[in-house]
Amino acid sequence: QKEVEQNSGPLSVPEGAIASLNCTYSDRGSQSFFWYRQYSGKSPELIMSIYSNGDKEDGRFTAQLNKASQYVSLLIRDSQPSDSATYLCAVKGYGQNFVFGPGTRLSVLP
Amino acid sequence: GAGVSQSPSNKVTEKGKDVELRCDPISGHTALYWYRQSLGQGLEFLIYFQGNSAPDKSGLPSDRFSAERTGGSVSTLTIQRTQQEDSAVYLCASSLAGTGIFSNQPQHFGDGTRLSIL
Repeated sequence: QKEVEQNSGPLSVPEGAIASLNCTYSDRGSQSFFWYRQYSGKSPELIMSIYSNGDKEDGRFTAQLNKASQYVSLLIRDSQPSDSATYLCAVKGYGQNFVFGPGTRLSVLP
Repeated sequence: GAGVSQSPSNKVTEKGKDVELRCDPISGHTALYWYRQSLGQGLEFLIYFQGNSAPDKSGLPSDRFSAERTGGSVSTLTIQRTQQEDSAVYLCASSLAGTGIFSNQPQHFGDGTRLSIL
């Protein structure tokens, strides 16, 4: 059974702080890793993807991947109230199917 | 370009009726996925298609649920004899289908169909 785990939260951070979201996965054969953001009542939208060990930065977002430890994280710098949402971690192997984590609810307090 | 399109956006029906939900993927996307999301819950995988075939339908919760895809494009999810516990948002996603070391294509989601069973 391939599993992806995330803390459900809520994770509360003050505006301007760094939010750190973590995800662990069970399948060592996983190849591709994605972070989706889902606002309440909306569908998930892709914000980051990462495939190699290390860091990948895109604006205020940084994805970090450590395949040896089987974890992937998402850092949000200078958090804004508009970042308040549920963040979903998704993992993909060589096949076509994705495994999603349960999501972490982030609340950025003004 | 156009994103994943789902219809209807909302569906209200009586218990026991059959419903059909439609998904039109992004043009050229050969992989298509169906998920269900109940209020406040995570994504529940239902089925995915590669072209017209469904390599993994392990998530379909009962034999009342079925899905098909024709022409490698549009997919319909059918729920027969609906029950109140079927009430949820049904999300469809599509992706380019790379394989092996090219299997790094993300999914793109439609806006979902909100299904309410009275």
